[in-house]
Amino acid sequence: QVQLQESGPGLVKASETLSLTCTVSGGSVIDTSYYWTWIRQSPGKGLEWIGYIYYTGATRYNPSLQSRVFMSVDTSKNQFSLSLYSVTAADTAVYYCTRERDSGWPFDSWGQGALVTVSS
Amino acid sequence: DIQMTQSPSSLSASVGDRVTFTCRASQSIHSYLAWYQQKPGKAPKVLISAASSLSSGVPSRFSGSGSGTDFTLTINRLQPEDFATYYCQQTYDTPRTFGQGTKVEL
Repeated sequence: QVQLQESGPGLVKASETLSLTCTVSGGSVIDTSYYWTWIRQSPGKGLEWIGYIYYTGATRYNPSLQSRVFMSVDTSKNQFSLSLYSVTAADTAVYYCTRERDSGWPFDSWGQGALVTVSS
Repeated sequence: DIQMTQSPSSLSASVGDRVTFTCRASQSIHSYLAWYQQKPGKAPKVLISAASSLSSGVPSRFSGSGSGTDFTLTINRLQPEDFATYYCQQTYDTPRTFGQGTKVEL
């Protein structure tokens, strides 16, 4: 059974960069079946898809965040990461890492979530 | 982006009730719809995919239906552990989008 675990600072200053890592256990980021995804949840905007990365490094981002997002994958550590630049209070949210197979498939495994607060 | 609209935003129910709530997409998504259950402090858990396909381990009192733009999630004989928030999500296109949720309260 695959498990995902988010890690990273819980507090980020406004205008700085939010960085999170997701460690995958019981499975492999090299699994060609899956796209490794970041989703966030805030009271104001509900559940928001940030984007995904494939093991090859191919990415697809939400256009609403595309100018500030970067994702990477480290196959040697079985991890993938999220960077969100120039954060504001609106980026305060619980950030989840998850996975999906492709269009038509749900997000079937989720991390427990990491609360990130942006402070002024 | 495909907009997902759920109704109602909340509903009150009792153990043993049958509850139904809906999700509407802003354009046809065929059967590319998933339903999730979320409890406070926890990640969402997938219940149904492809509009009506029950995920492994999900009780049979949950069922989904619909296609195109209109979808329904039904819970028969509501159990105490079913009080939670339910989200729909379109799996048809990126960016993936979710409804705003329906909270089932006692």
